[in-house]
Amino acid sequence: QKEVEQNSGPLSVPEGAIASLNCTYSDRGSQSFFWYRQYSGKSPELIMSIYSNGDKEDGRFTAQLNKASQYVSLLIRDSQPSDSATYLCAVTSSVLASGGSYIPTFGRGTSLIVHP
Amino acid sequence: GAVVSQHPSWVICKSGTSVKIECRSLDFQATTMFWYRQFPKQSLMLMATSNEGSKATYEQGVEKDKFLINHASLTLSTLTVTSAHPEDSSFYICSARDRGHASTDTQYFGPGTRLTVL
Repeated sequence: QKEVEQNSGPLSVPEGAIASLNCTYSDRGSQSFFWYRQYSGKSPELIMSIYSNGDKEDGRFTAQLNKASQYVSLLIRDSQPSDSATYLCAVTSSVLASGGSYIPTFGRGTSLIVHP
Repeated sequence: GAVVSQHPSWVICKSGTSVKIECRSLDFQATTMFWYRQFPKQSLMLMATSNEGSKATYEQGVEKDKFLINHASLTLSTLTVTSAHPEDSSFYICSARDRGHASTDTQYFGPGTRLTVL
């Protein structure tokens, strides 16, 4: 059973601070890693994807991947109240599922609250 | 970026009726579409995976005769909730994977359909 673990939170940070969100996964063969943001009552929105070890930066967001330790993290710099949402980590294995597709596994999400 | 639409965005129906939800990839061809269900304050639950032109693959515990999925083209998949009951009330979300970027497997989500069964 492939698992993706996230702390459910809530993680509360002050406006302007760095928010650090973490995710661990069990399938060592995982190849693709994604962070999604989901506002209450809305569908998930892709923030970043990362495929190789190291850091990937996009604006205020930095994804970090460490395959040896099987974790992926998301840093949000200069956090804003509008960043308050649930952040979902998704991991895709390199192994095709029975239907012929790469099936992603989602974590349960971490709730982030950025307070003014 | 890739855009996925869903229709309707919300629907209220009577118990025992069937409801069809459409999922379209607007600016790309989707090799695979996924259907999820999400109850309030809970995580996404994958219901099924559908590939264009073939039968959908359902996750364990999801009744394929109740949740009919048709992936007729590379841009359209439909989910029909047959004989809906109040316990089927949920937020149904589709996602699509871009065929044009086979080396990656990014999913793009539709805006979701909120189903309420009375």
